[in-house]
Amino acid sequence: DGGITQSPKYLFRKEGQNVTLSCEQNLNHDAMYWYRQDPGQGLRLIYYSQIVNDFQKGDIAEGYSVSREKKESFPLTVTSAQKNPTAFYLCASSIQGPNNSPLHFGNGTRLTVT
Amino acid sequence: DAKTTQPPSMDCAEGRAANLPCNHSTISGNEYVYWYRQIHSQGPQYIIHGLKNNETNEMASLIITEDRKSSTLILPHATLRDTAVYYCIVRTDSWGKFQFGAGTQVVVTP
Repeated sequence: DGGITQSPKYLFRKEGQNVTLSCEQNLNHDAMYWYRQDPGQGLRLIYYSQIVNDFQKGDIAEGYSVSREKKESFPLTVTSAQKNPTAFYLCASSIQGPNNSPLHFGNGTRLTVT
Repeated sequence: DAKTTQPPSMDCAEGRAANLPCNHSTISGNEYVYWYRQIHSQGPQYIIHGLKNNETNEMASLIITEDRKSSTLILPHATLRDTAVYYCIVRTDSWGKFQFGAGTQVVVTP
């Protein structure tokens, strides 16, 4: 089945450590996205990528980094510079270009930093 | 992106239709209306989208007013599994950035 896989589902880290969240898709989508969700709130865009080897900052990119070396993969690194990293992280993808193509989401990674 | 306004919560009886309103008074002519829902601790699930005509699929119906300033998502026969947060989003004709608000918490009761 085609879809988006995020791993792991739960991740625990000590403060000061960088951590990388995985996102893989087999939908052949050009565009990929990372969102962050805090309890009781909507999703906020961290980074997005329209094409391999290119990505753009979203609304809350500080303290995060991404890479897009392959079409299928868009890993997110939460660095020690991110002041409040504990959150639910969601990866998504879509067909590039037309504004009538929906986002497809993975099931998220819940990161806890102590 | 146009902002959307949704009620924070709604209750619905199982088996009845659930009508979820959304205001998007600043929507532009080329912006689509999308609906997603999110069950706790899962990724948002796409439901339906439309531009100006009413749309229907196996999950729901979308009614967009003639002036496009508001829309209603209709779940025709709500089940307990429809309990979720429902997001109404408008999307520009750019590459496709989605802006999520706080959504409507829908609780379906027996």
